[in-house]
Amino acid sequence: KNQVEQSPQSLIILEGKNCTLQCNYTVSPFSNLRWYKQDTGRGPVSLTIMTFSENTKSNGRYTATLDADTKQSSLHITASQLSDSASYICVVSLPSGGSYIPTFGRGTSLIVHP
Amino acid sequence: NAGVTQTPKFQVLKTGQSMTLQCAQDMNHEYMSWYRQDPGMGLRLIHYSVGAGITDQGEVPNGYNVSRSTTEDFPLRLLSAAPSQTSVYFCASRGVAGIRAGETQYFGPGTRLLVL
Repeated sequence: KNQVEQSPQSLIILEGKNCTLQCNYTVSPFSNLRWYKQDTGRGPVSLTIMTFSENTKSNGRYTATLDADTKQSSLHITASQLSDSASYICVVSLPSGGSYIPTFGRGTSLIVHP
Repeated sequence: NAGVTQTPKFQVLKTGQSMTLQCAQDMNHEYMSWYRQDPGMGLRLIHYSVGAGITDQGEVPNGYNVSRSTTEDFPLRLLSAAPSQTSVYFCASRGVAGIRAGETQYFGPGTRLLVL
């Protein structure tokens, strides 16, 4: 069973609208929680990185929140653009030895229509 | 900086053939890793390295070998390709191998592999 669950699986919105993507995890304890954007046919690109002690992190129009008590994170996209059409992936990393091992969610596919 | 580069971009193999997927980074990063991405599944860690000469297994290491003779290069070897290894393979790197939460991880563009 995947320890990182993302919802919705896919989402279609109109350009200019806001949206929120969800990530629930059972991995514990964790070193950090990351959100990535992956364009079709490309590698993932880092959007935000949060430790368990942080509850919000912004990167331009992207804002990630984290509630370590409920083990939930969300990614809020403000004033969406056509270029936001992509898959958004939540990753929770477990400490392992001197490093950490990531567990990836399956992603939310976002389509922004004009 | 070129970042993380991968070659080839596409490859078709027959069952039983071997090949090496190349990965290089020019950012002097300690940590490098290989993932595979399959439809409907999250990326899964195959192998990783915390520095030259040091490698370890990830979640799905069977059928793959790695080595890290230099900081820059981290090749992934398929010993005897199987149809189950049809996937998109991503190499990634980040600066520090330790548990430092703020390190950005950079991914390569991927290699698309089809095993017939």
